Amino acid sequence: DQQVKQNSPSLSVQEGRISILNCDYTNSMFDYFLWYKKYPAEGPTFLISISSIKDKNEDGRFTVFLNKSAKHLSLHIVPSQPGDSAVYFCAASGTNAGKSTFGDGTTLTVKP
Amino acid sequence: ETGVTQTPRHLVMGMTNKKSLKCEQHLGHNAMYWYKQSAKKPLELMFVYNFKEQTENNSVPSRFSPECPNSSHLFLHLHTLQPEDSALYLCASSPHRGLDRSPLHFGNGTRLTVT
Repeated sequence: DQQVKQNSPSLSVQEGRISILNCDYTNSMFDYFLWYKKYPAEGPTFLISISSIKDKNEDGRFTVFLNKSAKHLSLHIVPSQPGDSAVYFCAASGTNAGKSTFGDGTTLTVKP
Repeated sequence: ETGVTQTPRHLVMGMTNKKSLKCEQHLGHNAMYWYKQSAKKPLELMFVYNFKEQTENNSVPSRFSPECPNSSHLFLHLHTLQPEDSALYLCASSPHRGLDRSPLHFGNGTRLTVT
């Protein structure tokens, strides 16, 4: 059974608007969550993370929200830019963030 | 050169071949990982090495054999693979072991096709 799910395979937004990418998890032992971004022909790169002791973490245009009771997190990108077009992976881990369980990814397309 | 470098970028091999994937990191990290991404599946952790010692084998078939001669180099030796092993193989590194919130630094991957 997949423990980390990204139910939207793709998302298309207009430049300047908000992009919201969602992720759900089932394992209550997960206490650290990360978002990675992947461009074609490149490996994933780390974007932002959040610990379970927080419900929000912000870094520039990127904000991650965590709802522990719902086992749900979301990544907000405001304002969205065409260069943000990529595949976004949600990942969840316990004590070692390197041993993460990944979601399937959501392909974000930001239209000029 | 910095970051995590994987070679080759693409590999086509027959089921009876033996080949190796190579990964090198120039970040001074102590942990290295192999992940696999099959079509329409999430990234799956295969192996973890901390300070050259294998600390995790995620039920990977023996036709995949990892080797970590030092903290900077990681290999994945392949033999008698099956067509369903065709995937993107990603190497990654991170600074520490144990309680470690450091994110992974990935290479660009090797696209493997087994014919």
